[in-house]
Amino acid sequence: GENVEQHPSTLSVQEGDSAVIKCTYSDSASNYFPWYKQELGKRPQLIIDIRSNVGEKKDQRIAVTLNKTAKHFSLHITETQPEDSAVYFCAASRGGGADGLTFGKGTHLIIQP
Amino acid sequence: NAGVMQNPRHLVRRRGQEARLRCSPMKGHSHVYWYRQLPEEGLKFMVYLQKENIIDESGMPKERFSAEFPKEGPSILRIQQVVRGDSAAYFCASSPGTGTNVLTFGAGSRLTVL
Repeated sequence: GENVEQHPSTLSVQEGDSAVIKCTYSDSASNYFPWYKQELGKRPQLIIDIRSNVGEKKDQRIAVTLNKTAKHFSLHITETQPEDSAVYFCAASRGGGADGLTFGKGTHLIIQP
Repeated sequence: NAGVMQNPRHLVRRRGQEARLRCSPMKGHSHVYWYRQLPEEGLKFMVYLQKENIIDESGMPKERFSAEFPKEGPSILRIQQVVRGDSAAYFCASSPGTGTNVLTFGAGSRLTVL
C-alpha cells in the first residue's frame, strides 16, 4: 500500500516569513495529493490539492509543488500570519473514488509573533 | 448543506462497553470513510464504504471493530468491548465518489475509555 512520509514534524517560523513542508510517497500510481489544515480540536479542512498532471498550483499565499519523478510534493506558505498556526497534513491517493487517502503524520506549524 | 454530520461529538465508555459512532455524509455524497486519530498523531485510514457495501476495510482492526452504511440512515462505526487504547478521535469523511475522492471531514467523535 501507499506510504507517505512528512517533514518536519514541527516547524516554527517568524510571522511574515515563509514556511515549507515536504512529503514523499511510495506508490507511483498515486495521482491526487491534497493538503489539509487542522486547528486544535477541529476537523481537518482541505486547503489545496494537486493532481499529477500539474506541477504547481497556487492559491493566494499557498502553493503546492509536485515532482512525480522523485515522488515528492511540498506545501509553501508565504507571508505567514498567526492564523496559519495549525497542524498540516499531506496525503496521497490513486484518486477516482477507488480508495481513501493515506496521510502523513502531520506538521505542527507555529507562527512566532 | 449541513456538511458531514457526526454524533456523538464526545462519548465516554468504561472498559468492556460498546461504542457506536454515527456519520451522515454530505448531501449528494455516496462514499464514506472512517479515520482514527490518536493524540499528537496523524489520521489513520480504517474503512471505506458505499451504501450497503464495504469497499476497503484494510485499516480496521480484525476484532471488535465493525462498520456499516445501510441503505437508509447514517454510517455506523461500532467498537465492541472497548479498551483504553481505543480512546481517540474518530473522523468520518465523505466524497461524491465517481471521478473524485476529494474528502470533506466531519467534526469528529472523541471517544474516551475509562
